[in-house]
Amino acid sequence: DQQVKQNSPSLSVQEGRISILNCDYTNSMFDYFLWYKKYPAEGPTFLISISSIKDKNEDGRFTVFLNKSAKHLSLHIVPSQPGDSAVYFCAASDGGNQFYFGTGTSLTVIP
Amino acid sequence: GAGVSQTPSNKVTEKGKYVELRCDPISGHTALYWYRQSLGQGPEFLIYFQGTGAADDSGLPNDRFFAVRPEGSVSTLKIQRTERGDSAVYLCATVGGAGELFFGEGSRLTVL
Repeated sequence: DQQVKQNSPSLSVQEGRISILNCDYTNSMFDYFLWYKKYPAEGPTFLISISSIKDKNEDGRFTVFLNKSAKHLSLHIVPSQPGDSAVYFCAASDGGNQFYFGTGTSLTVIP
Repeated sequence: GAGVSQTPSNKVTEKGKYVELRCDPISGHTALYWYRQSLGQGPEFLIYFQGTGAADDSGLPNDRFFAVRPEGSVSTLKIQRTERGDSAVYLCATVGGAGELFFGEGSRLTVL
């Protein structure tokens, strides 16, 4: 049973515009959420995280929003750049040992 | 080294063979994870080490899979009697100060 879901397998955005990647989760015990970026033939790299005590965390062009009541988080990239083209994974933890990952969204930023 | 190092980067083997995949973690990181990523899927938890002991091995799919970390640093994932369904990228990760996972580049296993 997939506890973290990314329902959009792919997304295309023009360079300079905003990219919005979405993630839904089912386990209300999740209290820590992360976004990872993965290029082909490389391992996922940590991008940004958010604790459940916050509803927004910003780091440069990347902002993560958390809506606990909807069990939904999103990653905003503004402005999008061609180098942002990658697969983005959402992950969640309930404070235990395990991190649960979504299936990923492949972002293509068109120059 | 500066990051998590995994060897081999690619391994092709025949069904029924035994394979070992190695992970060199970031120095000083005591928590270590193994994940498996199949095509079109996200990373799937296999096993977690805190120091030398396997604190949680609930993700190992069956008893053909085993992992060790004898000195609390390097870890080896061992797969016996490999099957075609074991083909995947095996990822090792350690935990940073803010609780985030740092992944290696993975070992791509192909079972023919």
